[in-house]
Amino acid sequence: NAGVTQTPKFRILKIGQSMTLQCAQDMNHNYMYWYRQDPGMGLKLIYYSVGAGITDKGEVPNGYNVSRSTTEDFPLRLELAAPSQTSVYFCASSYPREEQYFGPGTRLTVT
Amino acid sequence: QQPVQSPQAVILREGEDAVINCSSSKALYSVHWYRQKHGEAPVFLMILLKGGEQKGHEKISASFNEKKQQSSLYLTASQLSYSGTYFCGTEGSSNTGKLIFGQGTTLQVKP
Repeated sequence: NAGVTQTPKFRILKIGQSMTLQCAQDMNHNYMYWYRQDPGMGLKLIYYSVGAGITDKGEVPNGYNVSRSTTEDFPLRLELAAPSQTSVYFCASSYPREEQYFGPGTRLTVT
Repeated sequence: QQPVQSPQAVILREGEDAVINCSSSKALYSVHWYRQKHGEAPVFLMILLKGGEQKGHEKISASFNEKKQQSSLYLTASQLSYSGTYFCGTEGSSNTGKLIFGQGTTLQVKP
């Protein structure tokens, strides 16, 4: 099993550009999550999903969008990138009320 | 809503013990504990569920006081590999796996 995979690992965006962060898992988990982590800080939930076709906002959803068309994939879309979105983004997946498995992260810089 | 962790940082010598606390102002269904090393993704340590069930796969113990909405992580006979930042994540009553993470506790174990 590859577990949770994320692409790209690093990305530099200019202000106003858009991009999609990819996340995939091969563990057949229904639940998937997107977090951001600013330097020296904890994890903030952006969006989460309890199954294909079902998504909901987390703590910090502004400036982001998600979709979940399959169990395996949960892409995160950034529209009109801003410097405040410079962060490390982690995708995670789990069974209900079980441990969350995290991907390796995407380090994003917006300049 | 963010749980509060204490202490913010702790330095230990190998073999010493430490306790990390996590406190929430809301009623909790579960508390998760993760450890993150610098530049890496968080790694699961333990889940403590309302009603007393615990799930974990490391030799680390923890407690969950449901009435006080508090959890403590006990690190005994610390090893160099225990160094990192510890995060608690709290889940309310909704069965979504939605976790709100604390700000983290940095643990450094010295030889």
